[in-house]
Amino acid sequence: SQQGEEDPQALSIQEGENATMNCSYKTSINNLQWYRQNSGRGLVHLILIRSNEREKHSGRLRVTLDTSKKSSSLLITASRAADTASYFCATTTGTASKLTFGTGTRLQVTL
Amino acid sequence: ETGVTQTPRHLVMGMTNKKSLKCEQHLGHNAMYWYKQSAKKPLELMFVYNFKEQTENNSVPSRFSPECPNSSHLFLHLHTLQPEDSALYLCASSQEGTSALLVNTQYFGPGTRLTVL
Repeated sequence: SQQGEEDPQALSIQEGENATMNCSYKTSINNLQWYRQNSGRGLVHLILIRSNEREKHSGRLRVTLDTSKKSSSLLITASRAADTASYFCATTTGTASKLTFGTGTRLQVTL
Repeated sequence: ETGVTQTPRHLVMGMTNKKSLKCEQHLGHNAMYWYKQSAKKPLELMFVYNFKEQTENNSVPSRFSPECPNSSHLFLHLHTLQPEDSALYLCASSQEGTSALLVNTQYFGPGTRLTVL
């Protein structure tokens, strides 16, 4: 079974609103990353949060991590049409360096 | 996006064809990856190469054959594929180390959209 599951699967908001996406995982992690993918393109790394961190900011992005609940959230503030994309969380566990991705949240930002 | 390039961007092939996907990274990384992305499924890791050595093969059918001649280039050779192999194939690279605390941030190419008829 997959490590990460994003919620919701799809989200539609208007420009200027905030978008919140959640990710749940099953096993202990070293770190959790969020990636963005425009339709039919490669993934772009957005932000990383380590297992000993609780919150991190990068521009309009805010990521939280709750290791007791094995969950993370990605908040995009003041969304723009250009934020329309799919967003994936990915985790690393133990000494393994490989990433395990979730199924993603598809975000649609309309004007 | 120019850090990792993939060619071709689109490929249509018959089940009896042989073709190859190419990936090149210009980031000086020592690890490269092949992923398969199908509709409504999580990204599937196919192969991992660290320092040109294959370190992971996630039960991928033998009709997919990877090749890593050096740390900058990665190929995926395809032969006798099935229609269910149609997907977006993504290549990625990262800088790996020996510390478990080392962050594994991966840099992706734009992908090759493969259609098997």
